[in-house]
Amino acid sequence: EPEVTQTPSHQVTQMGQEVILRCVPISNHLYFYWYRQILGQKVEFLVSFYNNEISEKSEIFDDQFSVERPDGSNFTLKIRSTKLEDSAMYFCASSELVWAEYTNTEAFFGQGTRLTVV
Amino acid sequence: SQQGEEDPQALSIQEGENATMNCSYKTSINNLQWYRQNSGRGLVHLILIRSNEREKHSGRLRVTLDTSKKSSSLLITASRAADTASYFCATGVEQGGSEKLVFGKGTKLTVNP
Repeated sequence: EPEVTQTPSHQVTQMGQEVILRCVPISNHLYFYWYRQILGQKVEFLVSFYNNEISEKSEIFDDQFSVERPDGSNFTLKIRSTKLEDSAMYFCASSELVWAEYTNTEAFFGQGTRLTVV
Repeated sequence: SQQGEEDPQALSIQEGENATMNCSYKTSINNLQWYRQNSGRGLVHLILIRSNEREKHSGRLRVTLDTSKKSSSLLITASRAADTASYFCATGVEQGGSEKLVFGKGTKLTVNP
């Protein structure tokens, strides 16, 4: 069964360093997302990406964050200068977009990357 | 309350009992989805119910949706210890030509053997 894969599963980084979280979405999917979950809190939307550009981003997704689809398979989230409060589980998701009046998107999530900023 | 709020926050039952979790939301939605998360793991999609549907079944799962009350419930029948996990509702919200999922805080379900 196709699945979304994320690497690494756990990343520890020093405050101020740049990190890149990698995701391989399901191959025929067209819509990609990043969500994060701070320990013990709810899953929060960061950004959605379609047709090689950001479709929507949340208030959390400030200038420190960027996303890229460098080739036909990978989807990356970069945090330029990490802060302690960026420590969270980051989830990548993808969905097959069929635009209609109601898209009824079912998103498939990866297992997540646990980012620890020290 | 926030979009996609589940209650109760935590639920502990015995194996074999039914578990009911509720979700309320505030804005209009395209659909509502339930996800499961085992501790420290990824999110697994359980079921999607469209805004024009009232009830949906999948195995031991039953989901209802009441758009007039802006609420949904997830019922797990004949629970098993392996059902122990956090359960999140997520509303599919259309914004600016795209759709995103807005998650609630989740209900932590513990099924005791």
